[in-house]
Amino acid sequence: DGGITQSPKYLFRKEGQNVTLSCEQNLNHDAMYWYRQDPGQGLRLIYYSQIVNDFQKGDIAEGYSVSREKKESFPLTVTSAQKNPTAFYLCASSIRGGPTAYNEQFFGPGTRLTVL
Amino acid sequence: KNEVEQSPQNLTAQEGEFITINCSYSVGISALHWLQQHPGGGIVSLFMLSSGKKKHGRLIATINIQEKHSSLHITASHPRDSAVYICAVSPSGGSYIPTFGRGTSLIVHP
Repeated sequence: DGGITQSPKYLFRKEGQNVTLSCEQNLNHDAMYWYRQDPGQGLRLIYYSQIVNDFQKGDIAEGYSVSREKKESFPLTVTSAQKNPTAFYLCASSIRGGPTAYNEQFFGPGTRLTVL
Repeated sequence: KNEVEQSPQNLTAQEGEFITINCSYSVGISALHWLQQHPGGGIVSLFMLSSGKKKHGRLIATINIQEKHSSLHITASHPRDSAVYICAVSPSGGSYIPTFGRGTSLIVHP
C-alpha cells in the first residue's frame, strides 16, 4: 500500500529539548510539506520541499528545521527556539511542486507533540 | 484576515438531514479543495475543483468562481460523516501552496 507515515502518533518532550518528527512516503512524490495545526486555526505551513536536497521556509518556520536527503523522507526538528511547540503536526506530499499546476496533497496521520 | 473563510464554524445535525458548509475566499485561485479530518487527526481529500460541480456518493461540491464561493453538501447525513471539513484554495499566479480555512466541525446525531 502506498501512503505517508508519521511517527510517533503521540510525543511528549520536556521544555528545552529538541525533538524530531518523522515523515516517510512511498508514493514517489517529489514535493513534501510540514504543517502545524492549532485549535481553531487553519493549517499553517512550516516548511516545504519541491525536490531532494532543497527546501523552503513556509509561513511559520522560526524554531523549526528540516532536511530532505532522500526523496522518501522529510523529517522535521522542533528546536528549543520554538516558543510554543505543543501542537498537532501534519506531513503531506504531492506528485510535484511548482507553480504550473496544482497537485493534490496527500496527508499523513499526524503527530501530536506535547511539551511539558 | 484569513483569505479563506468557512461557515458555519460548528454544525450539529440529526441523521438524514441535508447539510451545507460554505467557503468564501478573497484571492484568485487555480483550484479549491475540500478535505475531511476525522477525530483521529488524519486528513483525506474529498474534492478538488476549479469550476462547476462534482459529486461523490452523498457528497456534492460546487464552486462559483465569479462570486469566489464554494459549498459542500452532504445528503442523507450519517453519524459517520461527523468530522471537521476543511476548505483550502491554491492561489493562481505562481504560488501553488494552498491556504486553508479554519474548518467546520460537523456532528451528526443518530
